[in-house]
Amino acid sequence: EPEVTQTPSHQVTQMGQEVILRCVPISNHLYFYWYRQILGQKVEFLVSFYNNEISEKSEIFDDQFSVERPDGSNFTLKIRSTKLEDSAMYFCASGTSPPGETQYFGPGTRLLVL
Amino acid sequence: GEDVEQSLFLSVREGDSSVINCTYTDSSSTYLYWYKQEPGAGLQLLTYIFSNMDMKQDQRLTVLLNKKDKHLSLRIADTQTGDSAIYFCAESTDSGNTGKLIFGQGTTLQVKP
Repeated sequence: EPEVTQTPSHQVTQMGQEVILRCVPISNHLYFYWYRQILGQKVEFLVSFYNNEISEKSEIFDDQFSVERPDGSNFTLKIRSTKLEDSAMYFCASGTSPPGETQYFGPGTRLLVL
Repeated sequence: GEDVEQSLFLSVREGDSSVINCTYTDSSSTYLYWYKQEPGAGLQLLTYIFSNMDMKQDQRLTVLLNKKDKHLSLRIADTQTGDSAIYFCAESTDSGNTGKLIFGQGTTLQVKP
């Protein structure tokens, strides 16, 4: 069964460093998402991406964040200058058309900022 | 604004039925979902229901939707120890048509043998 994959599974970084989280969505999906889950809190929407552009972003997704689909398979989330409060589990998801009907999540990348 | 609320914890005996409840505020919800998260794992899509349906059954899972009360429930029949996990309710709305999901805080289901 096709699945969303994410790398790395864990990442530890120093405050102020740049990180890139990588995702390979399910191959025939057209809609891509990033969410995050701070320990003990709700899963929060960060950004949605369709047709090579951001379709919606949350207040959390400020100028420090960017997303890219550099080729036909990868979908990346970059945090330019990490802060302590960026420590969280980051989930990538992909979905079919119409958006929202089915959305499948990857296993997540646990990011720890020291 | 959009909000989804769930009770935090449910404990049942193996073999009993579990009912996990969820309320939401956005009346324009189009789809409502149940996801399962096992320790250290990602979010597994269990089932979803379109907002014009009242009920959906899928093997041991029954989803009930009361759109008037904005109440969603997930019933797990014959609950097994392997069902122990955190269950998240989520909604998507048609605002912006982007598929953004709003999650509840998750209900931890503990199944005692």
